[in-house]
Amino acid sequence: SYELSQPPSVSVSPGQTASLSCSGDQLGHKYTYWYQQKPGQSPLLVMYRDNKRPSGIPERFSGSSSGNTATLTISGAQAVDEADYYCQAWDTNTAFFGGGTKLTVL
Amino acid sequence: QVQLQESGPGLVKPSQTLSLTCTVSGGSIMSGDYYWSWIRQSPEKGLEWIGYIYYTGNTYYNPSLKSRVTISIDTSSKQFFLKVNSVTVADTAIYYCATASSGSYPTFDYWGLGTLVTVSS
Repeated sequence: SYELSQPPSVSVSPGQTASLSCSGDQLGHKYTYWYQQKPGQSPLLVMYRDNKRPSGIPERFSGSSSGNTATLTISGAQAVDEADYYCQAWDTNTAFFGGGTKLTVL
Repeated sequence: QVQLQESGPGLVKPSQTLSLTCTVSGGSIMSGDYYWSWIRQSPEKGLEWIGYIYYTGNTYYNPSLKSRVTISIDTSSKQFFLKVNSVTVADTAIYYCATASSGSYPTFDYWGLGTLVTVSS
């Protein structure tokens, strides 16, 4: 089993930069995916293959990965970005998700 | 854009079989672009990938669930299915169907709204 670790919560002031981390063994050698989930909604893909932004996702979202850590960065966070964020990676043909980080923008 | 809709019983008794259907619209279930996936979410376990099926019928399962799970597909009805045998309270979760773009490192592109399944006597 492969484990992905995320901090339970991150807080940021509106307009500031939020950095959400995800750590796992040799994660930098795998692709990391990020999903945003708001209350009562399904997860929404916001980043794939470390740093690729799907169509419709604002440019303020960016991603990076190196070593054992992947990072989702939200530059100029807005109130609408408040949500749970989950990282995900593949290991031995199995998808694993992190426990999620609750991002608070206030 | 592909749209997915889960359906099935919201309550299942312990030791019985959980059965869910996912109906696909807005795209072809026979498209080689996707694996058709099931993912569940519970407060205890978080998001957990269950497995997926290709339109050819090839299946791939999470090893932790493989012994109890079957995913199947009916291309004529544009549906795919999930069965989980011998359920316990630990199988209580929101169950999502989702697309996973085909390739070596699939991306879960589109998700259904999810359906809550409670295991209780």
